[in-house]
Amino acid sequence: GQQLNQSPQSMFIQEGEDVSMNCTSSSIFNTWLWYKQDPGEGPVLLIALYKAGELTSNGRLTAQFGITRKDSFLNISASIPSDVGIYFCAGQGNSGAGSYQLTFGKGTKLSVIP
Amino acid sequence: DVKVTQSSRYLVKRTGEKVFLECVQDMDHENMFWYRQDPGLGLRLIYFSYDVKMKEKGDIPEGYSVSREKKERFSLILESASTNQTSMYLCASSLTKTGFYGYTFGSGTRLTVV
Repeated sequence: GQQLNQSPQSMFIQEGEDVSMNCTSSSIFNTWLWYKQDPGEGPVLLIALYKAGELTSNGRLTAQFGITRKDSFLNISASIPSDVGIYFCAGQGNSGAGSYQLTFGKGTKLSVIP
Repeated sequence: DVKVTQSSRYLVKRTGEKVFLECVQDMDHENMFWYRQDPGLGLRLIYFSYDVKMKEKGDIPEGYSVSREKKERFSLILESASTNQTSMYLCASSLTKTGFYGYTFGSGTRLTVV
């Protein structure tokens, strides 16, 4: 099946620093999504990307859908303590009966040191 | 806003018990999913359903079953709970009639089997 490689697995950063994480796939995706999971909660959608090359921002978050359709990155600028959590990338496949099923990366655990 | 509600935030059950995890969504989504989340392993798909009374196995269905008698409700059943089923369980739903907008997750049920 399709697999996503998400990196880094974890990050410890100082408050105010910028953060970058990415996902790569061996398969093409039609849609890339980024989710954040706060401790003890379910993941919440941050950004959705629907077109190759698309660059989308949501406040301090910026994400891009790679031109090859096999990768995506998420940047967080000027991190704050509430950015702590696990960030998941997810890709929606190209075709077939499961075309609306998401494949998830294993997550990037972000810790922010005040 | 779409809401996905999981009936329990925390559950403690004994080995061998039959366990029911309930999930309800309130926005007429066709698709519903059950995942388990374990540290280092990310989100793993247990079962999913594209329609009432329809179910499909995910990547790790062993030891689990599901029921979807009504569109809004998707139940996960642990036939005979075992300690290796101690985990965080996440329910999700999605709409695909008008396009794909990702999954909406519930807040999760943390199950401990003793």
